[in-house]
Amino acid sequence: KAGVTQTPRYLIKTRGQQVTLSCSPISGHRSVSWYQQTPGQGLQFLFEYFSETQRNKGNFPGRFSGRQFSNSRSEMNVSTLELGDSALYLCASREGVMNTEAFFGQGTRLTVV
Amino acid sequence: GESVGLHLPTLSVQEGDNSIINCAYSNSASDYFIWYKQESGKGPQFIIDIRSNMDKRQGQRVTVLLNKTVKHLSLQIAATQPGDSAVYFCAENRDRGSTLGRLYFGRGTQLTVWP
Repeated sequence: KAGVTQTPRYLIKTRGQQVTLSCSPISGHRSVSWYQQTPGQGLQFLFEYFSETQRNKGNFPGRFSGRQFSNSRSEMNVSTLELGDSALYLCASREGVMNTEAFFGQGTRLTVV
Repeated sequence: GESVGLHLPTLSVQEGDNSIINCAYSNSASDYFIWYKQESGKGPQFIIDIRSNMDKRQGQRVTVLLNKTVKHLSLQIAATQPGDSAVYFCAENRDRGSTLGRLYFGRGTQLTVWP
């Protein structure tokens, strides 16, 4: 079974631009969560989607948004990029609605210049 | 400008020794805990989990201990190998009673194994 796939692996964007990151969960997994990882703040929860609905949201500004499609694939979008948005963005998928094991992808490394 | 690095606790052990990595959590309502291993350039990898109704759980070469009284979690790695070198994170699910949860991660511990 293929793991969680995130694309692209690396991105360089300019301040003020917007960016879209993609995550394909493990086949059969319906829950997708997004995390931001930085040296200063560590791993922080962004949001979680299940059945195309956002179920949980972390403490991030409205510039961070996401969505989930009917095939469980998810995208997150960051608008009006700031230098501080440079981070590793990680996607995790869960099989179902209970507190089951979360599997992470390798992440997308976003650099804002 | 210069970025502020995450000051990670570090643990250095010799190959073959046992390692103990500790983690304090903050929310007494947390009901599910996970240990993750993250190697450089990779996403976190699941090691072992434990629910709050348990005190101990064993896996292959790893044991997780949960002390709810002092809100402390530990990961024991037996016969540590160079391939165990990585950053180890504990994560907690605070959404007790919720069917879906978010994970709150600790700051991580850098484990280095010397041959």
